[in-house]
Amino acid sequence: GESVGLHLPTLSVQEGDNSIINCAYSNSASDYFIWYKQESGKGPQFIIDIRSNMDKRQGQRVTVLLNKTVKHLSLQIAATQPGDSAVYFCAERYTGGFKTIFGAGTRLFVKA
Amino acid sequence: EAGVTQFPSHSVIEKGQTVTLRCDPISGHDNLYWYRRVMGKEIKFLLHFVKESKQDESGMPNNRFLAERTGGTYSTLKVQPAELEDSGVYFCASSQRLEGGFTFGSGTRLTVV
Repeated sequence: GESVGLHLPTLSVQEGDNSIINCAYSNSASDYFIWYKQESGKGPQFIIDIRSNMDKRQGQRVTVLLNKTVKHLSLQIAATQPGDSAVYFCAERYTGGFKTIFGAGTRLFVKA
Repeated sequence: EAGVTQFPSHSVIEKGQTVTLRCDPISGHDNLYWYRRVMGKEIKFLLHFVKESKQDESGMPNNRFLAERTGGTYSTLKVQPAELEDSGVYFCASSQRLEGGFTFGSGTRLTVV
């Protein structure tokens, strides 16, 4: 069945370093991908999205890369800050579908 | 604008009891979604409303779960009778369009003991 998974459940980085959070998806029909950030006690918050006709999209300090050949998605955070500590979820949606499928999440720890 | 509001934020009930969760979406958002996260696992889709109609309820685990959205405004999710495996965080989200991301509420943490 369809699945969206993550390579690493936890990631620890030093403040100021760049972070890379990876995600694999299995449904080749997926055409829209989203990264969410969830802080403790809050709901997931939209960070950035990308459509399947793109392979890279940049936001403020964040970049999402999409490799459709290997069905891989990554989120890069530049100059990671303590406020970036959270659980990050990748999510996918497939053509004509309404539901968004989430992965298990990766917890990012930022060490000061 | 006010965000997505969920009530209660926490609920502890005994197995066999009934619990009703409420979600108030952002005003004007026709799309309303329920998701839940169990035991720190992935966030799983439960169902999707477009206005008052159920667009997709394929994620509802069984007939102990009943979701309603009367009038196309707020939504309720009732669990009756609750079982231990129903424990988790229930998220509601809303969106104006099908494209784009959702705005999530802070969730209701349900504990069934």
